Order: sequence, then C-alpha cells, then structure tokens
Amino acid sequence: QKEVEQNSGPLSVPEGAIASLNCTYSDRGSQSFFWYRQYSGKSPELIMFIYSNGDKEDGRFTAQLNKASQYVSLLIRDSQPSDSATYLCAVVRKAGGTSYGKLTFGQGTILTVHP
Amino acid sequence: GAVVSQHPSRVICKSGTSVKIECRSLDFQATTMFWYRQFPKKSLMLMATSNEGSKATYEQGVEKDKFLINHASLTLSTLTVTSAHPEDSSFYICSARGLGGPYEQYFGPGTRLTVT
Repeated sequence: QKEVEQNSGPLSVPEGAIASLNCTYSDRGSQSFFWYRQYSGKSPELIMFIYSNGDKEDGRFTAQLNKASQYVSLLIRDSQPSDSATYLCAVVRKAGGTSYGKLTFGQGTILTVHP
Repeated sequence: GAVVSQHPSRVICKSGTSVKIECRSLDFQATTMFWYRQFPKKSLMLMATSNEGSKATYEQGVEKDKFLINHASLTLSTLTVTSAHPEDSSFYICSARGLGGPYEQYFGPGTRLTVT
C-alpha cells in the first residue's frame, strides 16, 4: 500500500463544474495535509493546507479532511480551463525529530477542464 | 510572501563538469530546505533535507558525494552536482519551510539541468 494514494486520472470536467480530487493516506499519525498544483514544466504551487477535521475554504477551493477515514479531498468550484494541471496531495507524517516535516507526495491527479 | 527563488533556471553543461544550483528564500527565514528531482511525467523525488548549519540528510539511494548540499544561512541552500553525467539531466526543485506553521513548503521555480 502506498503511503499517499491519488487517482492519477485524467479527470476531465467541463468549465464551470465542480472538480473533486481525492487522496488517501496510510499513516494515522499524519498531522498536516497539503494540496499543490503543478503546471507542466513548472514547480509545484501551494494551494491549501489543512490539519483539522472538517472543511476549509479559500476562494473557489475547499479542502476536506476526515482523519478517521484517512481521507483528504480538494473541491474546485466553477472550474476554469486555467485550472488544468496536475494536483498533488502531500502529507506530513510526523512532526519534529529527523523528519523535519518531510512531505510525502501522492503521484498526482491530472485535471483537465474543457471549455 | 513565501517566495523562493532558484538560480539558474536552466543550465547546460558538459559531462564531467560540476554545476551549482542556488535556492534562496526571499522574504522569510528557512530553517529547513529540501531538494527534489523530477523526471518527465514522474512524481517529485526527495533527494535530501538541508538544515541551516548542519549536514544534509540524504534519502536512500542518493549519493551524498555526488550531490553536495550546503545550507550556510537561513536564506540560502546550494546543491552542487559533481561530475555530472547525462543521466543526471533532470528538473531540480528546492523548497523551503518556515520557522513555524503546519510544515508547509514553498517551492522554487526549479532548475532544468541538461548534461551533454
């Protein structure tokens, strides 16, 4: 079982729709959860982080965390063609010690928003 | 805020030469910086974790004598690829983590290395 799993996609949604991206993780001790967006040929860009159960909203983006189910998701409302990218879920498995907050990444979900 | 720069953005070098890549946190102090490598259509691969004033911690399988990391200040880390070979051609990305917070990392724009 991979430490962080994402459906690689591609996920295709029409412009204006809600895109739903999902991620599961294996370590119950995981503390912080991140969503990054990566355009082709570019480096990842932080979209949101969440560390408490429930929802966290920022503009068109909502992150949802359910620690009991070891599940984190990202919803993108009113999807735009410019949202087309690879979305990376990342987890900090434990704080402090020698981990120094290392991120463990999923393999990424390719999202395509078509006009 | 939270801007990380990398220099150079692109470099082409001949096999056997060394290349230095700089990573700077421009508007915050970074206690920890990370170096990643990414091959086309592949996920990010963590190479090493760099803490200011101490030796870097390398991931399994990464040659520390080939990929030299120095983190001399809270705003600068460097990665030197020594005796580069064509198989070292890749996209190298650094990230920086601030002094507090939930361990979010901010990524630099990356350096595309081509070894001929």
